[in-house]
Amino acid sequence: ILLTQSPGTLSLSPGQRATLSCRASQRVSSNYLAWYQQKPGQAPRLLIYGASSRATGIPDRFSGSGSGTDFTLTISRLEPEDFAVYYCQQYGSSPPETFGGGTKVEIK
Amino acid sequence: QVTLMESGPALVKPTQTLTLTCTFSGFSLSTTGMCVTWIRQPPGKALEWLARIDWDDDKHYNTSLTARLTISKDTSKNQVVLTMTNMDPVDTATYYCARISSGWPQREYYFDYWGQGTLVTVSS
Repeated sequence: ILLTQSPGTLSLSPGQRATLSCRASQRVSSNYLAWYQQKPGQAPRLLIYGASSRATGIPDRFSGSGSGTDFTLTISRLEPEDFAVYYCQQYGSSPPETFGGGTKVEIK
Repeated sequence: QVTLMESGPALVKPTQTLTLTCTFSGFSLSTTGMCVTWIRQPPGKALEWLARIDWDDDKHYNTSLTARLTISKDTSKNQVVLTMTNMDPVDTATYYCARISSGWPQREYYFDYWGQGTLVTVSS
């Protein structure tokens, strides 16, 4: 399964809403889709699994939605620490556990 | 507390074999449903899944790299080793190991804990 993330870069201001898209080339079984946040020089951090379940300790401004082939990560109000690169990953048809190409959320 | 740490050479020459070790704590790879995976990230690029080893010693590889990869585990030492043969400059990347707690028989292969990564440069 190929994952296409859009947009490649999202330029927003703190306090704004961010909407990130992840589209799969075929249906993701059981909506087994995860989202990760990666800041420069750091390992990725799990945000969302099962398309919509927040991982432990993740603030509720992060939410995931979608099913089938179209998934969305929403950050309701951007905080300064949210500016990072975000990756989606599918595990409905694994192996392999494939990643999308990433969306960079940058400060406008 | 779950932790993972990668170790290995920072620099390898083309055609050499890379050996990376992931040393972990806070879980056991003999527990049903536990897995450890290797993922890499070339500088400025996206993540690429490489290989996974499961609690029952089942092994899975990126199909484009199968011929070059070997993954193994030493449960008594809490370590997972990845070898990659015939290294090339395009293999320059940060290599991460990560844990999966799959919830077997559910097959939830997402990565809940990651090591900090180790940068491997391939250059003569």
